[in-house]
Amino acid sequence: IQLTQSPSSLSASVGDRVTIACRASQGIGSSLAWYQQNPGKAPKLLIYGASTLQSGVPSRFSGSGSGTDFTLTISSLQPEDFATYYCQQLNSYRTFGPGTKVDIK
Amino acid sequence: EVQVVESGGGLVQPGGSLRLSCAASGFIFSNYGINWVRQAPGKGLEWISYISTYGSTINHADSVKGRFTIARDNAKNSLYLQMNSLRDEDTAVYYCAREDCGSTSCFIDYWGQGTLVTVSS
Repeated sequence: IQLTQSPSSLSASVGDRVTIACRASQGIGSSLAWYQQNPGKAPKLLIYGASTLQSGVPSRFSGSGSGTDFTLTISSLQPEDFATYYCQQLNSYRTFGPGTKVDIK
Repeated sequence: EVQVVESGGGLVQPGGSLRLSCAASGFIFSNYGINWVRQAPGKGLEWISYISTYGSTINHADSVKGRFTIARDNAKNSLYLQMNSLRDEDTAVYYCAREDCGSTSCFIDYWGQGTLVTVSS
C-alpha cells in the first residue's frame, strides 16, 4: 500500500489553520496514524485510528478520514508545531507517507 | 518509564554485515509488537521490519527482504536486526519502535533515539 501526502511542504504563520492530506493507494479503513518529527529527533505520535488524539497531544491537532483519504488539521499553528509530519498506514504491513514539512512564512 | 534503546550501529563496508540490538524496559516486552524504522540522511521515514509479540508474524519491506532478519528474545527484553549484504542505500538512522493496538487500529507509540548505520568503503 502506497501513501501520498500533499502538500510536500508549506509555509504558514503562527495562528494559521493548516491542513495536510494523506491518500492511500487502496482502502485501509481507519488504520492510519500521524506523527510529528523535529530535526534530529524521533517521531512523536499525534493521531491514531485516523482520528483518535494520542494522550498528551494538544487539542489543536485533529485527524479525519477513512478508506483512502485522510486529513491532519492543526487549528491554530503554534511555534512548536513547525516540523515535518508523516502519515503511516498499519492495515497491511506498514508504510509511511513521504512527509510534509511545515515551516515559518 | 517506557524506554527502547538501540545499539550496534557503525561504519561497515558494502557487502558487509551488522547486527542491531534494541533493549526495552518499563513495559511488558512480550505484550507488544516491535518495528524497525529507518531514516536516510535528509530523507523521510521508511518502515523496514515488524515482529509480533512472540514472533509468529514477521514482515519485511521489499527493500530489505532476503537481506535483513528481525528477531526478538522476550526473556531478555530485546529485539534484533541482522543486516547482511549491506548497500550504500542502507545508510540511515535505525529506530526501534514499539507498536500498540487499540480497538480500531495499531500505532507506534514509543521510539528509541536511533542508531546510525553508515555503509561506505
